[in-house]
Amino acid sequence: GAGVSQSPSNKVTEKGKDVELRCDPISGHTALYWYRQSLGQGLEFLIYFQGNSAPDKSGLPSDRFSAERTGGSVSTLTIQRTQQEDSAVYLCASSLGSGDYGYTFGSGTRLTVV
Amino acid sequence: TQLLEQSPQFLSIQEGENLTVYCNSSSVFSSLQWYRQEPGEGPVLLVTVVTGGEVKKLKRLTFQFGDARKDSSLHITAAQPGDTGLYLCAGRYSSASKIIFGSGTRLSIRP
Repeated sequence: GAGVSQSPSNKVTEKGKDVELRCDPISGHTALYWYRQSLGQGLEFLIYFQGNSAPDKSGLPSDRFSAERTGGSVSTLTIQRTQQEDSAVYLCASSLGSGDYGYTFGSGTRLTVV
Repeated sequence: TQLLEQSPQFLSIQEGENLTVYCNSSSVFSSLQWYRQEPGEGPVLLVTVVTGGEVKKLKRLTFQFGDARKDSSLHITAAQPGDTGLYLCAGRYSSASKIIFGSGTRLSIRP
């Protein structure tokens, strides 16, 4: 597709379960980002992939969070042993590279931990 | 730690009025972007400014990057209900880094 695709759009999970969120970036975009947004607030940076470089994981809030990007394309964000405070909208974005390019965001995955 | 402060947090005005939203930081940015987000959607890029003192216009929207590259403003002339949304500024410390988002300004335009 022409845009960034995220799935699922909504996910309800029980506390303690693991979840996987998927992001399909725009073809040809070498940079991919994950952000988290709570209750219509600003975006909190989680992790950044750029080409074949080591990812910038500086925003991951705990070791329960991890992400991978396979073949320089699709990315999966995994949250293990989910907690209620993990409830948020998880947004993925891609861009042409690491320069002053704008980000193209997906519509997000709304995660609710009950 | 919130590195980009936006003000006001909320703004509700009548259609046809003008408004300005501010984005401030104590840090110097190599570039700054403004995004608009509507409910249920991801943010959409409006503009990128890269030079201190730069002014860009997008129809009724005017964006300015501060001379010291630490702040920015968004001015909307003759606001319309379609301008309603969450406005986010986002700064980049260097061309190789990710961008950091402000807390957002929620704008509501009353018909």
